[in-house]
Amino acid sequence: DTAVSQTPKYLVTQMGNDKSIKCEQNLGHDTMYWYKQDSKKFLKIMFSYNNKELIINETVPNRFSPKSPDKAHLNLHINSLELGDSAVYFCASSQDPNSNQPQHFGDGTRLSIL
Amino acid sequence: GESVGLHLPTLSVQEGDNSIINCAYSNSASDYFIWYKQESGKGPQFIIDIRSNMDKRQGQRVTVLLNKTVKHLSLQIAATQPGDSAVYFCAATYSSASKIIFGSGTRLSIRP
Repeated sequence: DTAVSQTPKYLVTQMGNDKSIKCEQNLGHDTMYWYKQDSKKFLKIMFSYNNKELIINETVPNRFSPKSPDKAHLNLHINSLELGDSAVYFCASSQDPNSNQPQHFGDGTRLSIL
Repeated sequence: GESVGLHLPTLSVQEGDNSIINCAYSNSASDYFIWYKQESGKGPQFIIDIRSNMDKRQGQRVTVLLNKTVKHLSLQIAATQPGDSAVYFCAATYSSASKIIFGSGTRLSIRP
């Protein structure tokens, strides 16, 4: 069973479009995250939700809007896509944000903007 | 600001030898450290972690060493195998924070 699953795995679209990435975890964790990994493999946190409430928002443009319908899902919607949005986006989950437990990652969504 | 860095962006090791990947962190309040392995096309996978009340922790073929005095940790992989080829990340956090700071990654390649 896949613990953290993201869809789609690949997303190719044109500049200016709006797209969504979905994430689901079946680990029973309370906290979920979105990370962006650039071409140099640098991983940077974008958002974190704990029990459907936003707890981290790391100076991400407001074109990016996360939504958590329940604690097992955290989706990422991106408006007006720009070339600089091309990256791999990873979803992750952990038991809670402060318990010093490792995060579990999905396999990523590779977003390419034409 | 906080940073977690790796000393070498790439490391090439002979198959069967031991690998050592080093990492430095800047925040002395960091009390929890994790090593992740990322294979091509996959997400980061947890390898081993260590809390600040320890200076060494061992897993299967892996050992993490923590030196809080100089804010340094290392990952040692014994008898490196082709399947160990990946990018390795160290990460650090502290109890009152809700986020983990990742280092920039070291790419480990194995020579036959």
